[in-house]
Amino acid sequence: SFEVTQLPSVSVSPGQTASITCSGNKLGDMYTCWYQQKPGQSPMLVIYQDNIRPSGIPERFSGSTSGHTATLTISDTQAVDEADYFCQGWDSSTGEPVFGGGTKLTVL
Amino acid sequence: QVQLQESGPGLVKSSGTLSLTCIVSGDSVSSGTYYWTWIRQTPGKGLEWIGRVSHSGRHNYNSSLKTRATISIDTSKNHFSLSLTSVTAADTAIYYCARGLGKYDSGGYYYVYYLDQWGQGTLVTVSS
Repeated sequence: SFEVTQLPSVSVSPGQTASITCSGNKLGDMYTCWYQQKPGQSPMLVIYQDNIRPSGIPERFSGSTSGHTATLTISDTQAVDEADYFCQGWDSSTGEPVFGGGTKLTVL
Repeated sequence: QVQLQESGPGLVKSSGTLSLTCIVSGDSVSSGTYYWTWIRQTPGKGLEWIGRVSHSGRHNYNSSLKTRATISIDTSKNHFSLSLTSVTAADTAIYYCARGLGKYDSGGYYYVYYLDQWGQGTLVTVSS
């Protein structure tokens, strides 16, 4: 199986743009989705199939991929966006999903 | 509104069997659209996919847990279940059930998989 890597933490000021990345040598060959998890809560899907927002997710959340890196971008970041963010891909060689280790977003 | 709710013992003895059930409301586990999935989370290992079951009972498992995990589905009760045998302290985690969508994209080449609805999670502690 392959691994995907996320930075443990990212900090951003309110109103600024936060970029959270997920890298792995097979990411260019699969779709990536992103989950937001706030303390004491279960994960919530915020982006799927690289760049599609589920119903109810604010437009300030967007996703993109380039080469072996997937990026979750949060524009006009707000205090309510402070959370852990996990990326997830699909390993076609094993038929299993693979999760990144998560990035803690702090809004200072 | 789809809701998933995990239920089961919060404490399991080492070498015993962990058994959890996920009750689904607002959707039918008989629907052919989704896979019904178990995931667990620990501070050390993050999110770990345990496996999934389809409406027809077809299942897939994490290769590292395959010999110990069984996921079953009961369409009459609209719930699905997890059984994990020979547990150790390493199986102590928050266990989530979730609804997953898995399909090939329009080109038929890349597989799309994501979990769009999650239960609130239940902490299971394995004691010695």
